[in-house]
Amino acid sequence: EPEVTQTPSHQVTQMGQEVILRCVPISNHLYFYWYRQILGQKVEFLVSFYNNEISEKSEIFDDQFSVERPDGSNFTLKIRSTKLEDSAMYFCASSPGQGVFEKLFFGSGTQLSVL
Amino acid sequence: AQSVAQPEDQVNVAEGNPLTVKCTYSVSGNPYLFWYVQYPNRGLQFLLKYITGDNLVKGSYGFEAEFNKSQTSFHLKKPSALVSDSALYFCAVRAPYNQGGKLIFGQGTELSVKP
Repeated sequence: EPEVTQTPSHQVTQMGQEVILRCVPISNHLYFYWYRQILGQKVEFLVSFYNNEISEKSEIFDDQFSVERPDGSNFTLKIRSTKLEDSAMYFCASSPGQGVFEKLFFGSGTQLSVL
Repeated sequence: AQSVAQPEDQVNVAEGNPLTVKCTYSVSGNPYLFWYVQYPNRGLQFLLKYITGDNLVKGSYGFEAEFNKSQTSFHLKKPSALVSDSALYFCAVRAPYNQGGKLIFGQGTELSVKP
């Protein structure tokens, strides 16, 4: 089965630094998502992206966050100035459509540690 | 607003015994319900979904889930647990298209199957 790939698997950064998390969604998928999971907590929606623009974003997705699909294959999440509380596992997901019957395909995640 | 709740943080089962992981939902409109599993150091993997039709849904790895409208529940079940089923299980509801279509997850239940 095709997979969503995420790099790096682990990222350690200093508070205040910028990080870019990278994802390669499944090639014929059209809808892209970022979720995060703080240790011991539930998986939280951050943002959805379709047709080169944000479809929806959560309250977590403030001005420090941005997403981009720079080249038609990669889908990136940028955090401009990281905070300690940004430490979490970040999951990228994609789906072929937005219908309620569509399942999301998730990557293995990037564990971000902000020191 | 759509939400799901998983009342148990952890479920312990002996190998060979039946298992149940509980999930209740709260939705406005029709519920579109999913179960995902997360193995250590892996992304979320789709198990099964309920969109409409039969209340008993069969999914991957021998799992099934029972949709109960009167009890607003969507419990995950397996007749005979395996040690390899030990993982983190997430119930999720899909928001309708006009509400962004995102997946909204429960807090997760850690299943531990002992030999």
